[in-house]
Amino acid sequence: DADVTQTPRNRITKTGKRIMLECSQTKGHDRMYWYRQDPGLGLRLIYYSFDVKDINKGEISDGYSVSRQAQAKFSLSLESAIPNQTALYFCATSDLSSGFDNEQFFGPGTRLTVL
Amino acid sequence: RKEVEQDPGPFNVPEGATVAFNCTYSNSASQSFFWYRQDCRKEPKLLMSVYSSGNEDGRFTAQLNRASQYISLLIRDSKLSDSATYLCVVAGYAGGTSYGKLTFGQGTILTVHP
Repeated sequence: DADVTQTPRNRITKTGKRIMLECSQTKGHDRMYWYRQDPGLGLRLIYYSFDVKDINKGEISDGYSVSRQAQAKFSLSLESAIPNQTALYFCATSDLSSGFDNEQFFGPGTRLTVL
Repeated sequence: RKEVEQDPGPFNVPEGATVAFNCTYSNSASQSFFWYRQDCRKEPKLLMSVYSSGNEDGRFTAQLNRASQYISLLIRDSKLSDSATYLCVVAGYAGGTSYGKLTFGQGTILTVHP
């Protein structure tokens, strides 16, 4: 089984709808991240969390919110989806205690289309 | 100026060729450097870390030049399976504590053909 899972894997929705993307991990890592990937722009950080009580905005947090329900779960919400939020979304985790504390392990991604 | 810049390519090379990718970063306080590999429609995965002294892993060699804020990846004897997007990644620190935050370049596309 995958260590980092994301649901749904694909989603098509309409402008104005509320959408939640979920991420779960079995790696026991404290740190979790949400990124979006757009062609030609690389991965950009939306939000990150270093533990259950810690939530931080990334470089493109506007229009998004997150919830860290447990060490293993980190969800991303689009309160009112708009077409320019169409992208590939990745969840990632990392562990401060490992030798390479900055290596991040990514989920398989969620492809979101907002019509 | 982007924090991490790469030549997006695409690079199209025959099997057995040697290919080099370059990357520059703007934040001189950056502390850790990596190359990630991303296959089409898949998640990024760590390929190798980049150390100041340069490091090698089989056919892959990574170099870091802090003075020029420049990172490179050299792939020798290219294989068809090397076809992917290669992401240059930089991590920052503050106050002696790792941010754990990575900044990604936009990626360089490599296609290796028979």
